Amino acid sequence: DAGVIQSPRHEVTEMGQEVTLRCKPISGHDYLFWYRQTMMRGLELLIYFNNNVPIDDSGMPEDRFSAKMPNASFSTLKIQPSEPRDSAVYFCASRYGDTQYFGPGTRLTVL
Amino acid sequence: GQQVMQIPQYQHVQEGEDFTTYCNSSTTLSNIQWYKQRPGGHPVFLIQLVKSGEVKKQKRLTFQFGEAKKNSSLHITATQTTDVGTYFCAGDNFGNEKLTFGTGTRLTIIP
Repeated sequence: DAGVIQSPRHEVTEMGQEVTLRCKPISGHDYLFWYRQTMMRGLELLIYFNNNVPIDDSGMPEDRFSAKMPNASFSTLKIQPSEPRDSAVYFCASRYGDTQYFGPGTRLTVL
Repeated sequence: GQQVMQIPQYQHVQEGEDFTTYCNSSTTLSNIQWYKQRPGGHPVFLIQLVKSGEVKKQKRLTFQFGEAKKNSSLHITATQTTDVGTYFCAGDNFGNEKLTFGTGTRLTIIP
């Protein structure tokens, strides 16, 4: 199994641009989580899905952030418009049982 | 909301010395998990503790769950350079599908 796949691995964009991060969970995993990691705030849960349905988006910082999971094998996290304070590493994780399996992350830099 | 704190935030040890990180939750947990994140990497699941007072070992790593299920510790005996990274605890609050990650302890090894 290839594990959780995220793309792109690195993204550099300018303030005001739209950013879309992508995630392919491990096949058969029924939960998908989006996290953001920064030095200041640590690892924060943004939103999670169960069987493709968003369950809790209370961690999404603002309306500029949105996430979708159109099917069991794909999810996106979109930021529009992006701001410099959105610079962080964004992780996607899928879960089977109690264990979460993290993807390699997308390092986002907003100039 | 639930908060999970870890101490120390940073720890520098000589190779061969022992290392301990402590995790404290503001609420009682149903279980606690530990993850390791290598520099530049992503969190990787190490272990889960469920029972009050539970102790589990993985080679040189010893994990303990407190009697009140509000705290936990990770102890590494005779550290090696491969132990470098940030160690996170993550708590599951009864019936909650999501984990609250601790603030992490970054371990560096002095050869």
